[in-house]
Amino acid sequence: EAGVAQSPRYKIIEKRQSVAFWCNPISGHATLYWYQQILGQGPKLLIQFQNNGVVDDSQLPKDRFSAERLKGVDSTLKIQPAKLEDSAVYLCASSDRAQGTPYEQYFGPGTRLTVT
Amino acid sequence: EDQVTQSPEALRLQEGESSSLNCSYTVSGLRGLFWYRQDPGKGPEFLFTLYSAGEEKEKERLKATLTKKESFLHITAPKPEDSATYLCAVQAVGGSYIPTFGRGTSLIVHP
Repeated sequence: EAGVAQSPRYKIIEKRQSVAFWCNPISGHATLYWYQQILGQGPKLLIQFQNNGVVDDSQLPKDRFSAERLKGVDSTLKIQPAKLEDSAVYLCASSDRAQGTPYEQYFGPGTRLTVT
Repeated sequence: EDQVTQSPEALRLQEGESSSLNCSYTVSGLRGLFWYRQDPGKGPEFLFTLYSAGEEKEKERLKATLTKKESFLHITAPKPEDSATYLCAVQAVGGSYIPTFGRGTSLIVHP
């Protein structure tokens, strides 16, 4: 079974520029998550999708971050404009469990973003 | 606010030297507690889910236990390949189902 795919793996941009990350979840997984992991910290959930609908985006900085999941499969996360504090690893995860059920998540390798 | 605290932050062991990692949590009600392993440059890899106090799960040299306030990840006779960061996460009952992760414990096992 193929795992969660993410691209690019690394990205370096200057502050105020924009950047986009792509995620392809495990086939058949209805739930998709985007996390931000700052060095030395645990992952912090940014947004959760169930199929192509947003379940929770309460921790997403909506003034600069946006995410979509068209057709309930692939997803993109965008940052515009980027700030220095956005430097982190952005992880995508998916699950085949429904919202509200204790579930294990399957993570992709992440995209390491450096904002200079 | 849900809180997850992991200790120690870092742990160095000799191969074969057993030890335990701690995850203490504060939630209004626990729906599930998760342990993940994260290798450098990779995403977290799921290890265990625990649902209620007294529950235990094992996988090779790892054993996870759960009480009402904390969870332990016991590592028996570790090998160098067990070196990784171990993350604990909790999911609370009711309201948002956002999982809260701890900062992790970085484990290094020397041969």
